[in-house]
Amino acid sequence: GAGVSQTPSNKVTEKGKYVELRCDPISGHTALYWYRQSLGQGPEFLIYFQGTGAADDSGLPNDRFFAVRPEGSVSTLKIQRTERGDSAVYLCASRSTGADTQYFGPGTRLTVL
Amino acid sequence: AQSVTQLDSHVSVSEGTPVLLRCNYSSSYSPSLFWYVQHPNKGLQLLLKYTSAATLVKGINGFEAEFKKSETSFHLTKPSAHMSDAAEYFCVVSTNSGYSTLTFGKGTMLLVSP
Repeated sequence: GAGVSQTPSNKVTEKGKYVELRCDPISGHTALYWYRQSLGQGPEFLIYFQGTGAADDSGLPNDRFFAVRPEGSVSTLKIQRTERGDSAVYLCASRSTGADTQYFGPGTRLTVL
Repeated sequence: AQSVTQLDSHVSVSEGTPVLLRCNYSSSYSPSLFWYVQHPNKGLQLLLKYTSAATLVKGINGFEAEFKKSETSFHLTKPSAHMSDAAEYFCVVSTNSGYSTLTFGKGTMLLVSP
């Protein structure tokens, strides 16, 4: 079956611009996570959705970052006034209810010039 | 709070020799532990997981890991390395709090020479 998909695969933007990153989870998975992987580091948690609501957004670095999941399926991570330090690979993962394994998408590589 | 320490940033082995990737964890709760592998320009793939059942866990591609609570370790091993094993490996801990948020180590790059 289809795995987690993320679009775009690559995004290059200029400092100060707004970007949106999209995640399509595995069908039926109620839990959705966003992580950020900086160069040479392991992924770091950003936000967790259970259904439509953000159950834990403690990993968002500041208020320039926001994510939504309006219908409990597709999620969009939004970054306002991008900074060079936002350059990273943004990973999305989904998990079915009651399971403990997260399945990761291929990521979106964001480059802020 | 939870954390993971991967003791080696790089490990180099020859093809056909054993692999050992070391991981220590810290968790306030009874943890679930995972190893994920990331090949260049590919997504993260689950190798194996420990979730409080058998302490010796077998995964895909001949990898296994042993959970040792007394040592707070979860080292990854493979008896014989293959060229295709060259990749970055992440040790990961998750609480059983219901959220299952993952905390990753910094990764170990496995290099396999012919």
